[in-house]
Amino acid sequence: DGGITQSPKYLFRKEGQNVTLSCEQNLNHDAMYWYRQDPGQGLRLIYYSQIVNDFQKGDIAEGYSVSREKKESFPLTVTSAQKNPTAFYLCASSNQGEFGTEAFFGQGTRLTVV
Amino acid sequence: EDQVTQSPEALRLQEGESSSLNCSYTVSGLRGLFWYRQDPGKGPEFLFTLYSAGEEKEKERLKATLTKKESFLHITAPKPEDSATYLCAVQAGSARQLTFGSGTQLTVLP
Repeated sequence: DGGITQSPKYLFRKEGQNVTLSCEQNLNHDAMYWYRQDPGQGLRLIYYSQIVNDFQKGDIAEGYSVSREKKESFPLTVTSAQKNPTAFYLCASSNQGEFGTEAFFGQGTRLTVV
Repeated sequence: EDQVTQSPEALRLQEGESSSLNCSYTVSGLRGLFWYRQDPGKGPEFLFTLYSAGEEKEKERLKATLTKKESFLHITAPKPEDSATYLCAVQAGSARQLTFGSGTQLTVLP
């Protein structure tokens, strides 16, 4: 089955610790995205990548880092510099060729600071 | 800056009671408007894409429409399984990424 796989589903982070969220897609999509979702605030863009080895900051990139070494993979690292990391993180992908192309989402990772 | 506003924030309906959700947008050069359904603890599920004013799309009890300033998601004779948060998003100008509204949480009571 084609789709986007995020892991883990739940993640707990201690203060001062870096954690990495995994996102893999087998849809052959060029573009991949990371969004953060907080209650009542909708989805906010963290980073996006339109091609391998290239990525751009979104609206709330501070405290996060990404890499895009393979077309299928777009991991997100939540660093200790992110002061309020507790949230629901969503990865998405889309075709790059045309505008107006819908994005497809994974099932999310819920990160909690303990 | 692209802006997307959804209303109401929450809506409670009785089963069979039809209603509409609103998505107002302010963008420069709309490329596409998207509707998603999100169940608690899950990722958004794609429903519709609308490209130009006057366009309509339907899927089961849902119908999405688009004007130059807003989109409506009409729900006809809803069932409890339609309960979810409905998200609206836009793609505009040269941006590939989507800008989302904060969603409407729909509850359909049996």
